[in-house]
Amino acid sequence: DAKTTQPNSMESNEEEPVHLPCNHSTISGTDYIHWYRQLPSQGPEYVIHGLTSNVNNRMASLAIAEDRKSSTLILHRATLRDAAVYYCILRDPNSGGGADGLTFGKGTHLIIQP
Amino acid sequence: EAGVAQSPRYKIIEKRQSVAFWCNPISGHATLYWYQQILGQGPKLLIQFQNNGVVDDSQLPKDRFSAERLKGVDSTLKIQPAKLEDSAVYLCASSLGPYNEQFFGPGTRLTVL
Repeated sequence: DAKTTQPNSMESNEEEPVHLPCNHSTISGTDYIHWYRQLPSQGPEYVIHGLTSNVNNRMASLAIAEDRKSSTLILHRATLRDAAVYYCILRDPNSGGGADGLTFGKGTHLIIQP
Repeated sequence: EAGVAQSPRYKIIEKRQSVAFWCNPISGHATLYWYQQILGQGPKLLIQFQNNGVVDDSQLPKDRFSAERLKGVDSTLKIQPAKLEDSAVYLCASSLGPYNEQFFGPGTRLTVL
């Protein structure tokens, strides 16, 4: 999987939007951009994924740059429950012959201030 | 829908002892993964099963780690003998199939003294 780069930590205030950046300058044309998050003392959970177009779901939005070399996860109104480590991961469904273990980096530790 | 179950939640052993972890995936999920997460790092894949066959075990330290998924449902991960550097959280995840969303269990925290 191609490498991603994320800030080590970010801080935001409760009920404000949060923009979590991810750089993936070596992304290939078939890599999907996935986001998972890990709340304290829990396993990771899926947040959202996309290929080229921006995506929205009940948890977040994903904005993908036109050249696909970067993306931003947007939490529209952060709550204290959104405090977690957020991981940006590239996955290519056309590689690996079915081997699709997630390659996690260190992620971004999001701190939410009340 | 029940999530991925893991047991035990915590385990403390001395180095050179053996330990086993158990995982029960979400019903109907054909793909099962074991990850190791060392403190301060992201999870690292150890092994991936598709039904009861191994798809990827390239990062599994096979001299001391073993895993099986009999009957394509539950799975066990064993470490024998344990080393200090095996102290970590061991996460089990499952998915409907490859390249689908992965659902993670709460993990087993192993401390090797």
